[in-house]
Amino acid sequence: SAVISQKPSRDICQRGTSLTIQCQVDSQVTMMFWYRQQPGQSLTLIATANQGSEATYESGFVIDKFPISRPNLTFSTLTVSNMSPEDSSIYLCSVDTGMADTQYFGPGTRLTVL
Amino acid sequence: SQQGEEDPQALSIQEGENATMNCSYKTSINNLQWYRQNSGRGLVHLILIRSNEREKHSGRLRVTLDTSKKSSSLLITASRAADTASYFCATGGSNYKLTFGKGTLLTVNP
Repeated sequence: SAVISQKPSRDICQRGTSLTIQCQVDSQVTMMFWYRQQPGQSLTLIATANQGSEATYESGFVIDKFPISRPNLTFSTLTVSNMSPEDSSIYLCSVDTGMADTQYFGPGTRLTVL
Repeated sequence: SQQGEEDPQALSIQEGENATMNCSYKTSINNLQWYRQNSGRGLVHLILIRSNEREKHSGRLRVTLDTSKKSSSLLITASRAADTASYFCATGGSNYKLTFGKGTLLTVNP
């Protein structure tokens, strides 16, 4: 398995500002992903964080709104830019360790935008 | 878009009873994974079943997969109050991406 930490665990932000969420894994992993979980909803994949290249975004998500960095095989950041109340969600990173396709999730970052 | 649909959306049982949750999906899959989420926190991986498997067990958990019906079920036996959580199925394809269902909220009453 993999131990994943996220910072911050929660934050309350003002409309129009940006927040960067960090995801740290205790081992090198090939695949890292970012998900969003809106209140009372299921998880939706935002993008695949690629090491050394631009992230691959899912339909409905764009780089200008959710820029992602992946400087190495253990770390990634997701920025939520120019926030509005609709961005209030839990943001989760996950990793696929390459061991039997199991994905492990971080504890999530609960974001509230006022 | 959502791949899986869980039912029921909510389930309330007494401690000691069994809980069964179902998941249906639409496209072909490589695997199907079940997760638990407590009160909007991170997801805990419970079990993975591959498309060529029909049943797997892990402790009090039993998962079945019927690829002909594109459905899976999660059975929790002898439930405990600590099992109270939301349970999600997620289908995995060849690109490692997971597509999640809407989830079942399980409440186990002491």
